[in-house]
Amino acid sequence: QKEVEQDPGPLSVPEGAIVSLNCTYSNSAFQYFMWYRQYSRKGPELLMYTYSSGNKEDGRFTAQVDKSSKYISLFIRDSQPSDSATYLCAMDTGRRALTFGSGTRLQVQP
Amino acid sequence: NAGVMQNPRHLVRRRGQEARLRCSPMKGHSHVYWYRQLPEEGLKFMVYLQKENIIDESGMPKERFSAEFPKEGPSILRIQQVVRGDSAAYFCASSRTSGNTGELFFGEGSRLTVL
Repeated sequence: QKEVEQDPGPLSVPEGAIVSLNCTYSNSAFQYFMWYRQYSRKGPELLMYTYSSGNKEDGRFTAQVDKSSKYISLFIRDSQPSDSATYLCAMDTGRRALTFGSGTRLQVQP
Repeated sequence: NAGVMQNPRHLVRRRGQEARLRCSPMKGHSHVYWYRQLPEEGLKFMVYLQKENIIDESGMPKERFSAEFPKEGPSILRIQQVVRGDSAAYFCASSRTSGNTGELFFGEGSRLTVL
């Protein structure tokens, strides 16, 4: 069993939809949770960084962490075609050796 | 561009040759990390370095791979005697020296192809 599980998709939604992306994990030592966006043939771009449980909002993006369920989510409101990319969740115990999910491919249709 | 700079962006090597990948961290960052992304897979941690020190190399293959971050100049990931299985995208990331040091910012990657 992988430490971090992420549905690979692809996830296809119409423009303007609310997108929900999720990861589950098994290592209870994870304390820091991140979401990255990666366009094809590019490097990962940090979207959200959260510590421990709770919600964090930044523009159209909301990250949620539920440590009791070992479950994290990223919500994208008013999705745009430019949001089409692979979304990677990443987690860290504090060692800074991030453990990544395999990524979910998102396609936002105009 | 104040981002993490990696070069070369693309590198082709024949089996048995050496590959050297370079990474300059963002300004104000003194922590450097190397990750590898195999086709259709997520990123895997390789090594975490500070200036002149290897902090965590738990993800580095035991043979042929080495990394350094000298006092002056970029961090270098070196792969000796490359094999086809080394073909991958190698990403470097950096983070700040103080404050919230856990946020990692990635470069565009170096794509290694071994023929």
